[in-house]
Amino acid sequence: KAGVTQTPRYLIKTRGQQVTLSCSPISGHRSVSWYQQTPGQGLQFLFEYFSETQRNKGNFPGRFSGRQFSNSRSEMNVSTLELGDSALYLCASSRGGPVETQYFGPGTRLLVL
Amino acid sequence: AQKVTQAQTEISVVEKEDVTLDCVYETRDTTYYLFWYKQPPSGELVFLIRRNSFDEQNEISGRYSWNFQKSTSSFNFTITASQVVDSAVYFCALTENSGGSNYKLTFGKGTLLTVNP
Repeated sequence: KAGVTQTPRYLIKTRGQQVTLSCSPISGHRSVSWYQQTPGQGLQFLFEYFSETQRNKGNFPGRFSGRQFSNSRSEMNVSTLELGDSALYLCASSRGGPVETQYFGPGTRLLVL
Repeated sequence: AQKVTQAQTEISVVEKEDVTLDCVYETRDTTYYLFWYKQPPSGELVFLIRRNSFDEQNEISGRYSWNFQKSTSSFNFTITASQVVDSAVYFCALTENSGGSNYKLTFGKGTLLTVNP
């Protein structure tokens, strides 16, 4: 079974731009969660989507948004990029139950200049 | 609030040594789940184990073993006869109820393990 895939793997943007990251879950998984990882703050939960609906949300500003498609693929968008948004963005998928094990993708490394 | 503490920021050992990674957690949930993930330099978090709060049986998987002690809120991870390939950052995580039947994972800050040849 193929694992979670994320595209692109690396991205360089400048302040003020916007960016869209993509995540394809493991086949049959209906939940997709997004995390931001930085050296200072560690791994922080952004949001979770299940059946095309946001089911859970972390404490991030509205510049961070996401969506999920009918095939469970998910996208995450960050608008008006700031230097502090430079991070590794990780996507995880699970079957969808409340406490199912999450399986992570390789991440997208975003650098904001 | 939920909290996961991995007090060891970095550990360095020589190959074949045993090493234990500590994890202490705080939660008010009566039912919760604990996880360990490994993050090699490539960046992907690799799932290692999941344990629920009502199963305190310790587990062994090859060179890996886990000691869950509910009385001390600890879920420690031991690697026996460490190998260079074990070098990675290891994260302990706890499920946090965020309302209704919604849960999210709270991660510790991670422990960087370096195994030297």
